[in-house]
Amino acid sequence: GAVVSQHPSRVICKSGTSVKIECRSLDFQATTMFWYRQFPKQSLMLMATSNEGSKATYEQGVEKDKFLINHASLTLSTLTVTSAHPEDSSFYICSGLRSAGGEKLFFGSGTQLSVL
Amino acid sequence: DAKTTQPTSMDCAEGRAANLPCNHSTISGNEYVYWYRQIHSQGPQYIIHGLKNNETNEMASLIITEDRKSSTLILPHATLRDTAVYYCIVRVATGNQFYFGTGTSLTVIP
Repeated sequence: GAVVSQHPSRVICKSGTSVKIECRSLDFQATTMFWYRQFPKQSLMLMATSNEGSKATYEQGVEKDKFLINHASLTLSTLTVTSAHPEDSSFYICSGLRSAGGEKLFFGSGTQLSVL
Repeated sequence: DAKTTQPTSMDCAEGRAANLPCNHSTISGNEYVYWYRQIHSQGPQYIIHGLKNNETNEMASLIITEDRKSSTLILPHATLRDTAVYYCIVRVATGNQFYFGTGTSLTVIP
């Protein structure tokens, strides 16, 4: 399968600071990337769809000014959690859509964010 | 929104086949069925997907009913490492999002 690298894997930050999470597709070009968040014992919740070279599309209820997404190249998307608060603590997972051989989504290993 | 219904949890004996059902009674003609699994605290892993024909790869088999309203993921010889949450997703072939439902927590028992 294709490889998606996500880092950092874990980050602890103080309330009010911003945190950037990087997501790279290592062996394929991802025109589209998706960002999810997951709370303990819950399913993945889609936050936004990131398309290379254009603005991200956010799901209903997700604040675009709080969760800044940049998809500047076909292999890199970043999620910045701005002015993080304890309620933003969650597991954030990125994914890249590979079109070759039928569209498949490949996921990064996730980032556990803890806001103190 | 997720368009699938799966049992919350299942157990399977190690070495036996694990059969995970999924109902998708409102599936459209151009929607594929995808299966992913998530081992604790990791990103989900792609398993298999199909439109209407049965599919098999090195990980699993996907059986889709003729009316396409349900499907079954088969892990032919379950191992302890197959313990995970399995998600069934329906999605139009190109350009649409992947929405995850609640999935089935599969426990493989020694």
